[in-house]
Amino acid sequence: SAVISQKPSRDICQRGTSLTIQCQVDSQVTMMFWYRQQPGQSLTLIATANQGSEATYESGFVIDKFPISRPNLTFSTLTVSNMSPEDSSIYLCSGQGQGFANEQFFGPGTRLTVL
Amino acid sequence: AQKVTQAQTEISVVEKEDVTLDCVYETRDTTYYLFWYKQPPSGELVFLIRRNSFDEQNEISGRYSWNFQKSTSSFNFTITASQVVDSAVYFCAPAFNAGNNRKLIWGLGTSLAVNP
Repeated sequence: SAVISQKPSRDICQRGTSLTIQCQVDSQVTMMFWYRQQPGQSLTLIATANQGSEATYESGFVIDKFPISRPNLTFSTLTVSNMSPEDSSIYLCSGQGQGFANEQFFGPGTRLTVL
Repeated sequence: AQKVTQAQTEISVVEKEDVTLDCVYETRDTTYYLFWYKQPPSGELVFLIRRNSFDEQNEISGRYSWNFQKSTSSFNFTITASQVVDSAVYFCAPAFNAGNNRKLIWGLGTSLAVNP
């Protein structure tokens, strides 16, 4: 499977600011996803990052708060805008090859703390 | 509604014991895929196994085995002769239809502690 890297690995931010998380895959993937995981909790899908078009957001997540870009088949960014302490979480990027049977593989995550 | 239930929140075993992690799901899909992932204390999610819904043959891969029963919507995962390195949170994640794609539905996870 491909290898995913994320930057930054962690950050501490002030409320009201924005942070952009980068996700880089070492090979082309069909699908890319962004998740949020609170410590000790399960994963929650934020959105599917679509190459060349607007991301598809899950219920409870909006583009103004979590703008996503995917300019090509190996790279995506997630921005957490106007942050509040409730946004403190681990943000995970995943990729999936072509075909519904393929598993998603994950990056190491970005641990975000908002003060 | 599509959902997945991992009833076991925490399991603690002694090294070399066998342990089975339970997973039950609900869906109206007739075809789907089932996955298990492991999240060790380091935090990175690791893919373990995949099963499609039209193949109920159960398999063994090293110390891992799985029991898929479509009639009861269960996809249980067994670790044989557990080791301390198996200590992690294990997630069952079926992939059900979602428009033009399939979406993983994540269970709450089972935290496994293997003690020496």
